[in-house]
Amino acid sequence: DAKTTQPNSMESNEEEPVHLPCNHSTISGTDYIHWYRQLPSQGPEYVIHGLTSNVNNRMASLAIAEDRKSSTLILHRATLRDAAVYYCIENRDDKIIFGKGTRLHILP
Amino acid sequence: KAGVTQTPRYLIKTRGQQVTLSCSPISGHRSVSWYQQTPGQGLQFLFEYFSETQRNKGNFPGRFSGRQFSNSRSEMNVSTLELGDSALYLCASSLATFGELFFGEGSRLTVL
Repeated sequence: DAKTTQPNSMESNEEEPVHLPCNHSTISGTDYIHWYRQLPSQGPEYVIHGLTSNVNNRMASLAIAEDRKSSTLILHRATLRDAAVYYCIENRDDKIIFGKGTRLHILP
Repeated sequence: KAGVTQTPRYLIKTRGQQVTLSCSPISGHRSVSWYQQTPGQGLQFLFEYFSETQRNKGNFPGRFSGRQFSNSRSEMNVSTLELGDSALYLCASSLATFGELFFGEGSRLTVL
């Protein structure tokens, strides 16, 4: 199965940028990299996805390494509402494989 | 528009029983996928249906099954429940197979 590895937890101050790393060492050339987050007592919600190029949307930016073995989710200005578990996942052979995720704590 | 609806939200069963969970996708979404979430194993993919056909399946025993109806609503069934089946079961819908997934709030199953 595809494997993604992320730090168990991270902390950031409110209104500062946050960089959430992910290693996806088994990724193949056609696998998309997806990021979701799960707020307490809710189902996961889509954040962003990409293949090779860096991607931006209203929620975040996704920076993908040139060899695609790692990616970084960037929250440009963290708020308390961004406290959640962030999952970097691979879509391989039409299976979504979730890692353990990173629990992001935002300090006011 | 209405989001993904899962029923029931909470249920308690005993070992050996079976359970059926329901998922109503967002209108127009033809793909429904199911996931099991536990503290120990995290989020694990169960299976995915598209236009009434199971297209992909995770590594779960045959006690876990599902189906999708012509209106895209989906059900999953777990037979001969075990204590380890206690979990939050999430479903997600999308326009296409593993496009942007929209998750429901889940059905929390407790097996006693």
